[in-house]
Amino acid sequence: EAGVVQSPRYKIIEKKQPVAFWCNPISGHNTLYWYLQNLGQGPELLIRYENEEAVDDSQLPKDRFSAERLKGVDSTLKIQPAELGDSAVYLCASSTHRGSGEQYFGPGTRLTVT
Amino acid sequence: AQSVTQLDSQVPVFEEAPVELRCNYSSSVSVYLFWYVQYPNQGLQLLLKYLSGSTLVKGINGFEAEFNKSQTSFHLRKPSVHISDTAEYFCAVSGGSNYKLTFGKGTLLTVNP
Repeated sequence: EAGVVQSPRYKIIEKKQPVAFWCNPISGHNTLYWYLQNLGQGPELLIRYENEEAVDDSQLPKDRFSAERLKGVDSTLKIQPAELGDSAVYLCASSTHRGSGEQYFGPGTRLTVT
Repeated sequence: AQSVTQLDSQVPVFEEAPVELRCNYSSSVSVYLFWYVQYPNQGLQLLLKYLSGSTLVKGINGFEAEFNKSQTSFHLRKPSVHISDTAEYFCAVSGGSNYKLTFGKGTLLTVNP
């Protein structure tokens, strides 16, 4: 079974530029999560999708961040414009059982904003 | 609201020694508890989980954890570590009807020869 796929793995951009991250979840997983992981910290949830619906985006900074999951499968997270403080690892995860919380993570995209 | 405290940010040990990584949580509802491991430049991998039943949970790679409701703890243990166990370990909690997975700040386990 293929795991959660993310691309790119690494991205370096200048501040004020846009950037996008892509995630393909495990087949059959209806729930998809985007997390932010700062250096030396645990992941923090940005947004959760149930199929194509964003059911929790309370932690997403909506002035510069956006996300979509148009067909309920893969998803894109965008930042525009990027700031120096956005440098972090962006993790995507998916699951089948929302209640238990068992989630499967991708390798992440490491973003460096210069 | 729920939270997780990992009491040690770094734990250095020698190969073949036992190790315990400590985790305490707080939640106003019944919880599910997890330990994830993150190797350098990789995503998180589930080590083990407690959903219900026996309070002693066994996971992959020889790790186990014990759920202690009275002490609100879920400490991770391994009787004999290997160099390959060097990684960051995250404790996480999910509670009630709230799907949300809340992570601790992580413990860096370094196994030295």
